[in-house]
Amino acid sequence: LAKTTQPISMDSYEGQEVNITCSHNNIATNDYITWYQQFPSQGPRFIIQGYKTKVTNEVASLFIPADRKSSTLSLPRVSLSDTAVYYCLVGDPERGNAGNMLTFGGGTRLMVKP
Amino acid sequence: DAMVIQNPRYQVTQFGKPVTLSCSQTLNHNVMYWYQQKSSQAPKLLFHYYDKDFNNEADTPDNFQSRRPNTSFCFLDIRSPGLGDAAMYLCATKPAGGPYEQYFGPGTRLTVT
Repeated sequence: LAKTTQPISMDSYEGQEVNITCSHNNIATNDYITWYQQFPSQGPRFIIQGYKTKVTNEVASLFIPADRKSSTLSLPRVSLSDTAVYYCLVGDPERGNAGNMLTFGGGTRLMVKP
Repeated sequence: DAMVIQNPRYQVTQFGKPVTLSCSQTLNHNVMYWYQQKSSQAPKLLFHYYDKDFNNEADTPDNFQSRRPNTSFCFLDIRSPGLGDAAMYLCATKPAGGPYEQYFGPGTRLTVT
């Protein structure tokens, strides 16, 4: 299971773009990268998932360099409601449907200020 | 709306008194998971089911058991709760195969007195 490393916390201001980087140096060939958002007293919520290059959806972008040893979650123009903990997960969803896709790293606590 | 439901949202039990937390899903997903999340920590996987196949994480205490009587329901039993078992317990589901997103319930916050 690829271990992930993220900054413990980040601060930003409303309207800014926020980039959170996750390191996963021992990522395996079949591993996907998934990001979740969690608000206090709620379950994590899926944000975005990718394998390589760039993935974009309505809430975020995910940038994955060619070596896939890191990934960057980009949140455009954050608002106060984006204050949450963001988790990066790396795993192989086909590996017997094991729990590896849901083994969370430490997470990054994002604080958005007015 | 299809979703993952956890009941109750808040549960108080006494030290050593067995407690059961429940999770149900309307998504018809094959895989169901139980996590424990303590304050200011990341969720920690306890076990998961692929259909009825049970998979226990190596470091999950024997005090924690689980049942999945059918696709829709999954239960977490804590046989003798200790003060250290106070936490948020999260249930999640996922379709079998493929890098699909996982769906989490709102969690049950367990207090042990």
